[in-house]
Amino acid sequence: GAVVSQHPSWVICKSGTSVKIECRSLDFQATTMFWYRQFPKQSLMLMATSNEGSKATYEQGVEKDKFLINHASLTLSTLTVTSAHPEDSSFYICSARASGSYNEQFFGPGTRLTVL
Amino acid sequence: AQTVTQSQPEMSVQEAETVTLSCTYDTSENNYYLFWYKQPPSRQMILVIRQEAYKQQNATENRFSVNFQKAAKSFSLKISDSQLGDTAMYFCAFRQINAGGTSYGKLTFGQGTILTVHP
Repeated sequence: GAVVSQHPSWVICKSGTSVKIECRSLDFQATTMFWYRQFPKQSLMLMATSNEGSKATYEQGVEKDKFLINHASLTLSTLTVTSAHPEDSSFYICSARASGSYNEQFFGPGTRLTVL
Repeated sequence: AQTVTQSQPEMSVQEAETVTLSCTYDTSENNYYLFWYKQPPSRQMILVIRQEAYKQQNATENRFSVNFQKAAKSFSLKISDSQLGDTAMYFCAFRQINAGGTSYGKLTFGQGTILTVHP
């Protein structure tokens, strides 16, 4: 299957700082990428859908000014958590949708964010 | 809006035995896909199996098979000959397809079932 990478795999930051997470589709072009948040032993919660070259669509309850998403190319999307606070600590997963049969979604390995 | 329900928060099974994970969903759509994903301790999401709603035949992938009951909106996953590596959290997911079959909605996940395979 296709590969999606995320960087960094884990990050620890101080409260009030901003953190950027990168998501890359390594061997395919992804017109659509998704960002999820997951708490321990819980399901994936979709935060936003991003299409290359256009503004992201945020799910209800997700602050777009806090979670900035940029999808500048067909292989790269970034999530920036601005002015992070301890309650933003979570596991963030990106997913990229390939064109073609089934338009299958491939998932990145996730990024663990800890805000002190 | 679509909903996906997994009513078994945790399950356990002995190695080499068979286990079935339950999933029900609610939708008014006729065209959709159903999926089972596995999330092992590494937390990497892995697609286990996919079922197109228009297909009556149940999907199978080696030791993994589904029982798809469209009228009942039920989509269970059977794991045969369970292995220690099957220990993971399993998510059932739904995705709508438009009438033309050319555009796809977002994935809607169930709450997940933690499966532990004991030696």
